[in-house]
Amino acid sequence: QVQLQESGPGLVKPSETLSLTCSVSGDSISSFYWSWIRQPPGKGLEWIGFVYYTGSTDYNPSLKSRVTISVDTSKSQFSLRLSSVTAADTAVYYCARTTAGFFDFWAQGALVTVSS
Amino acid sequence: DIQLTQSPSSLSASVGDRITITCRASQTISIYLNWYQEKPGKAPKLLIYSATSLQSGVPSRFSGSGSGTHFTLTIDSLQPEDFATYYCQQSYSPPLTFGPGTKVDI
Repeated sequence: QVQLQESGPGLVKPSETLSLTCSVSGDSISSFYWSWIRQPPGKGLEWIGFVYYTGSTDYNPSLKSRVTISVDTSKSQFSLRLSSVTAADTAVYYCARTTAGFFDFWAQGALVTVSS
Repeated sequence: DIQLTQSPSSLSASVGDRITITCRASQTISIYLNWYQEKPGKAPKLLIYSATSLQSGVPSRFSGSGSGTHFTLTIDSLQPEDFATYYCQQSYSPPLTFGPGTKVDI
């Protein structure tokens, strides 16, 4: 059974860069896509982007200019960096395995608050 | 981007009821439509993928149908643990998008 776990700061200052890492266990990180998804408090779900184990990526155009997703297969981890954050980036951030475009395994979620 | 709409946005139901939630896409997406259940404080859980396929471990009272632009999620004999918010999501083309959700409560 695949398990995912996010890690990273829960508080980020405005204009700084949000960084999260997702650790994958129970299965190989290879041969799958790995996504980041977020949910602002009380709102719906937004796909941020995904990375393939080869390092190729695709991002949501709404965030593309500020997002970088990378993978480290040696550590079975993939990471999210979101630059120039504002209060609008406050959300629960989820990492998830992506199979044929749907999300079959999710981490528990990490609340990131943007505040000074 | 492909836009998804859901109806109703919320509904009240009772244990044992049969309920149906509708998801419509702004363009044809074949069968590339998936359904999730979300409970407060928990990550969403995949219920149905590719419009009609039941994810492993999901009870058979959940079923999905549809193709093109019109899809439905049906829950037969609603159970107490089914009170939650349900989201549809399209996997036809990036950016992958979700519907706004349907909250099912008592």
